[in-house]
Amino acid sequence: GAVVSQHPSWVICKSGTSVKIECRSLDFQATTMFWYRQFPKQSLMLMATSNEGSKATYEQGVEKDKFLINHASLTLSTLTVTSAHPEDSSFYICSASRGDVSAKNIQYFGAGTRLSVL
Amino acid sequence: GIQVEQSPPDLILQEGANSTLRCNFSDSVNNLQWFHQNPWGQLINLFYIPSGTKQNGRLSATTVATERYSLLYISSSQTTDSGVYFCAVEAGGTSYGKLTFGQGTILTVHP
Repeated sequence: GAVVSQHPSWVICKSGTSVKIECRSLDFQATTMFWYRQFPKQSLMLMATSNEGSKATYEQGVEKDKFLINHASLTLSTLTVTSAHPEDSSFYICSASRGDVSAKNIQYFGAGTRLSVL
Repeated sequence: GIQVEQSPPDLILQEGANSTLRCNFSDSVNNLQWFHQNPWGQLINLFYIPSGTKQNGRLSATTVATERYSLLYISSSQTTDSGVYFCAVEAGGTSYGKLTFGQGTILTVHP
């Protein structure tokens, strides 16, 4: 159990276009989903936290107008990179948490999306 | 915010060797998870261990919360154990489940 699916796994786009990444919890309801960014040979940095039905909470330094997050249902969150530029090229990873006390806030991670902006 | 330090940053082993990875954190935690990131980037949950000791096959982990560190033991290492091992913590208080990751330990196991 606790499978998180992320799609697409790899995307190449032209500068100025927008890219949408989906994160789905397949066998549980995720009250909270998280989006991370990872540069090569570096650790994961939290970008934002999203709760179903409410606005995402962004970490300091993350542009909310650049990285649009929607968490419209208990099994789906999306990250849209708007007007992507080469500096947005990175590995984006989502995670999901059941959020209930018995689940102990354990986060389960998707396989990640590698974004390359030309 | 909470600081997480992992050591060593790099570790090279021969197949069959044992190893210990360490994670120090600067404040009390509600959650501590160990992950293995494979060469394709997938993060695999190894342990949820905010305190105590757990074992799963060749892997075991111990967290001493009062002294703010956790250890991950890998015994009889195999080439498939290669990758990056991350420790991540959720700080106590109102962290709302947010995890802070250490910088990772890059493990390379040679045949």
